[in-house]
Amino acid sequence: GAVVSQHPSWVICKSGTSVKIECRSLDFQATTMFWYRQFPKQSLMLMATSNEGSKATYEQGVEKDKFLINHASLTLSTLTVTSAHPEDSSFYICSASPQPKGWREQYFGPGTRLTVT
Amino acid sequence: GNSVTQMEGPVTLSEEAFLTINCTYTATGYPSLFWYVQYPGEGLQLLLKATKADDKGSNKGFEATYRKETTSFHLEKGSVQVSDSAVYFCALSDGYGQNFVFGPGTRLSVLP
Repeated sequence: GAVVSQHPSWVICKSGTSVKIECRSLDFQATTMFWYRQFPKQSLMLMATSNEGSKATYEQGVEKDKFLINHASLTLSTLTVTSAHPEDSSFYICSASPQPKGWREQYFGPGTRLTVT
Repeated sequence: GNSVTQMEGPVTLSEEAFLTINCTYTATGYPSLFWYVQYPGEGLQLLLKATKADDKGSNKGFEATYRKETTSFHLEKGSVQVSDSAVYFCALSDGYGQNFVFGPGTRLSVLP
């Protein structure tokens, strides 16, 4: 149980275009989902926290208008990278938490590798 | 704020050697502690966890004990295998399973 999937696993897009990444909790309802970014050979950096039905909370330094997050249902959150540039190339990982409080674990997706040419 | 410090890698060991990856943390309250493993090109997999002081997490031969007095959660394995080659992340969360903070990761290479 507690499986989180991401789609696509790998995407290449041209500079200036937008790309959407989906994060789904397959066997539980995720009240809260998290989006992380990982640069090569570095640790994960939290980008934003999204709660179902409300606006995402972005970490300091993360551009809200560039990284659009939508958490429309209890099993799906999407991250849209708008007007992508080569510096946006990275590994994006989502995680999901079954409950807003009282649960001590997040379940991580397999990640999406974005390459912007 | 909360933080996690890990020993810098890369760590290179021969097969069947003993492994220790140090992890120390700074946190307020009563955090939960985790070790995650990331194989090349993949996402994170939970390796083990501990939710309160003196708890020992264990999985696949790996162990770590939540030491509140030393604010540590060192990862150990008695005999590593080539298949253990990966990046290991120490992490903590607050008491509600949120506000995850990851260490920088330690790359382990096990040679046959």
